[in-house]
Amino acid sequence: GQQVMQIPQYQHVQEGEDFTTYCNSSTTLSNIQWYKQRPGGHPVFLIQLVKSGEVKKQKRLTFQFGEAKKNSSLHITATQTTDVGTYFCAGSGGYQKVTFGTGTKLQVIP
Amino acid sequence: NAGVTQTPKFRVLKTGQSMTLLCAQDMNHEYMYWYRQDPGMGLRLIHYSVGEGTTAKGEVPDGYNVSRLKKQNFLLGLESAAPSQTSVYFCASSPFRGRPKSSYEQYFGPGTRLTVT
Repeated sequence: GQQVMQIPQYQHVQEGEDFTTYCNSSTTLSNIQWYKQRPGGHPVFLIQLVKSGEVKKQKRLTFQFGEAKKNSSLHITATQTTDVGTYFCAGSGGYQKVTFGTGTKLQVIP
Repeated sequence: NAGVTQTPKFRVLKTGQSMTLLCAQDMNHEYMYWYRQDPGMGLRLIHYSVGEGTTAKGEVPDGYNVSRLKKQNFLLGLESAAPSQTSVYFCASSPFRGRPKSSYEQYFGPGTRLTVT
């Protein structure tokens, strides 16, 4: 079955440093979504990427979808303490069922 | 709009007991999902539904059953709870948007923390 891996599993950064998490799928994806889960909370949808090579930005967050549509990344510029949480990617092969990645837990040190 | 709600928020069961988790959404979404979240394992899909009266197995369906008798509700049942089912359970819903603006974003409920002793 489809597998989606994320690296790193954990990341501690100093406030103001940049952060990147990578998502890799064992199969070609139709689309990929990114979610953020604050400690003790539930996943919240951030964005969806559909096109090969697509890049989208949300303020300090930059999302990329690989050319082969098998990988994706999320980059946060100048992290803030409000960025703390676990970031998940979720990929779909074209149907409504998605496979979530293992997540990257981000800790920001003030 | 309440979005996606889940009841109960917390529950402690003894091995062998049964229970039902209720998920309700008021967004008229077609698709609904049940996930479990365990430390270091992300979210794993248990069962999902693409519409009223239909359900399908996800990645980890064993030990669980589901029903979707009404579009707005999705029930998850544990017939005979086991300690391995200790987890946080999330329900999610997703709207149907056909091409060309296919969208798969999911809206999650607050979760149910279940402990089986």
